[in-house]
Amino acid sequence: DAKTTQPTSMDCAEGRAANLPCNHSTISGNEYVYWYRQIHSQGPQYIIHGLKNNETNEMASLIITEDRKSSTLILPHATLRDTAVYYCIVTLSYNQGGKLIFGQGTELSVKP
Amino acid sequence: EAGVAQSPRYKIIEKRQSVAFWCNPISGHATLYWYQQILGQGPKLLIQFQNNGVVDDSQLPKDRFSAERLKGVDSTLKIQPAKLEDSAVYLCASSFPQGYGTGSYEQYFGPGTRLTVT
Repeated sequence: DAKTTQPTSMDCAEGRAANLPCNHSTISGNEYVYWYRQIHSQGPQYIIHGLKNNETNEMASLIITEDRKSSTLILPHATLRDTAVYYCIVTLSYNQGGKLIFGQGTELSVKP
Repeated sequence: EAGVAQSPRYKIIEKRQSVAFWCNPISGHATLYWYQQILGQGPKLLIQFQNNGVVDDSQLPKDRFSAERLKGVDSTLKIQPAKLEDSAVYLCASSFPQGYGTGSYEQYFGPGTRLTVT
């Protein structure tokens, strides 16, 4: 699986958009970009995933560059409850034997 | 919908003792995973089951760790004997493959069991 690079930590003001970057320059054509987050003392939680197109759901938006070498997770109106470690993972689909390989992630602190 | 259940939530044992963790996945989920998360690191996959068969146990230290998923539902992870470096949070997750090519790989995680080996 391709590796990803994320900043170690980021701060965001409550109510503002949080933009979390991820570099995955060695991604292959059939690999997906997944985002999970882990709030303190909880298990990871799925946020969103995408292949080529931008995606949006009730939690966040995922913007993938045209060359697919990087992506940005956007939390449109961050709240204190969004404080967590965010993991960007690149992997094949389940049926292609993909696995979730977690890196260090980005520790996002949302401040009042 | 009930989430993934794990027990116990916390366990403290001395080195060389044995310990077992239990996981009940979301109903209907065919795939079950055990992860180990050491403090300050991301979760690391230990073993993956598809129904009651092992799909991947390449990262499981088989000299001391074992896992089973009888009847394709609940699962137990055992450590015998425990070492100091086994201190970690053990996470169980489950998923239901959405079908060929969809890419959906949403895993649902339990709260984890925090193990301290002294």
